Parts: sequence; structure tokens; C-alpha cells
Amino acid sequence: ETGVTQSPTHLIKTRGQQVTLRCSSQSGHNTVSWYQQALGQGPQFIFQYYREEENGRGNFPPRFSGLQFPNYSSELNVNALELDDSALYLCASSTLPGWDTDTQYFGPGTRLTVL
Amino acid sequence: DAKTTQPNSMESNEEEPVHLPCNHSTISGTDYIHWYRQLPSQGPEYVIHGLTSNVNNRMASLAIAEDRKSSTLILHRATLRDAAVYYCILRDVGSQGNLIFGKGTKLSVKP
Repeated sequence: ETGVTQSPTHLIKTRGQQVTLRCSSQSGHNTVSWYQQALGQGPQFIFQYYREEENGRGNFPPRFSGLQFPNYSSELNVNALELDDSALYLCASSTLPGWDTDTQYFGPGTRLTVL
Repeated sequence: DAKTTQPNSMESNEEEPVHLPCNHSTISGTDYIHWYRQLPSQGPEYVIHGLTSNVNNRMASLAIAEDRKSSTLILHRATLRDAAVYYCILRDVGSQGNLIFGKGTKLSVKP
């Protein structure tokens, strides 16, 4: 069984640029959630996709957007990058969104540095 | 969203038990208690969860106070590989599946 994978591992961008991060969910999982983790902090929820539809969003501006594809892989797009967007971006896949017993399986993350 | 309070850091010796506390005095009746941990340079991983009764799995045990206002994650024999940040998270029926992380407890394990 293949776990959650993310690409790229590391990325360096300059302020104002756009970036796309990718996530492949674990086999059999139909839900992908994205999180941003600043240095020394816990992950913060960005948004979730369930069966190709956005299924909840955290307190992030519209320049953070996403997609989920029919194979349940997902992309996170960030436009007009700011220095504060430098962080580890994590995706997590699961099968029971909204259920209290839902377990999320995280990928290793993409480290984004904005200069 | 219900909040949790955890110590910033704890230390343990290898092969000794570790008790990681979590306070959640505003927990509601429908909140499950979840624990995740994040090893260095990795994404978080699920450890255990429970509602009212104590729970055991291959990784750890979860002891939940009778009033549910606190819980303790128990690692029975800490190994060096258990050094990580441990997050205690409450999840309710309205959460739409997202996890609300605090800063967690950084556990150091000494050989």
C-alpha cells in the first residue's frame, strides 16, 4: 500500500511568484486536507477536498486555492507569494471526512521558501 | 473550537514509561480526543483516539479522566524513536474532518 506522497520536497520562490504543490493520496482515500506549518508551530488547516469538491476552509486568503482530481490526488496553488508563506506544506488523506473517528495520514511535506 | 493545553516540553529516559498530559476543560460531549505525533522532518502521524473509555493500541495507551476534562497519553517503554512533538486534539462533529493543532509537547528521550 502506497502512502501519501508530496512533490516537490523543497522549493524556493521569490515574492510575488506563484507556486503549485502536489499531493497523491493514499490508495482508497477520497479526501485530501492541506495544512501550513510555520517553523516552531503546529500545522494550520488551509482547506479540504472531498470527492473533487472543497469541503471546508480555514482562515487563509483566496490566493490559496486547490484542486482535487478524479484519482483523488490534489494540488495546492498559492498566488502572489509573500515572505510569510515560507513554511512546510503538508497534505493528509483520509476516508471519513467529518467523522470524529476519521484518521488522517500525512505526507512528508513540501518545504517552501519565499525570498 | 475546544482548546487543549499541553506542556511545552518533557524529557524521558529510554525504556521508561512516559505520561504526556493534556487538559481540555471545555470539552463537549461529542468531542473525541485524538493524539498525533510528528517526528523530526516528517509529517504528523496518528497515535490513538478515544471518547470516554481508556484505549490501548500497539503504539500507546490513552487514559481519559472520568469528567473528560483531561487525558494522558502513555508510552509504556520510550525508545529514542519516540522523540517527537505530541499533539492532543479535540474533534467534534462539526469539524468537517480538519485537525486543529496547538503547539504540542516536545518529548526528548535520553539514552
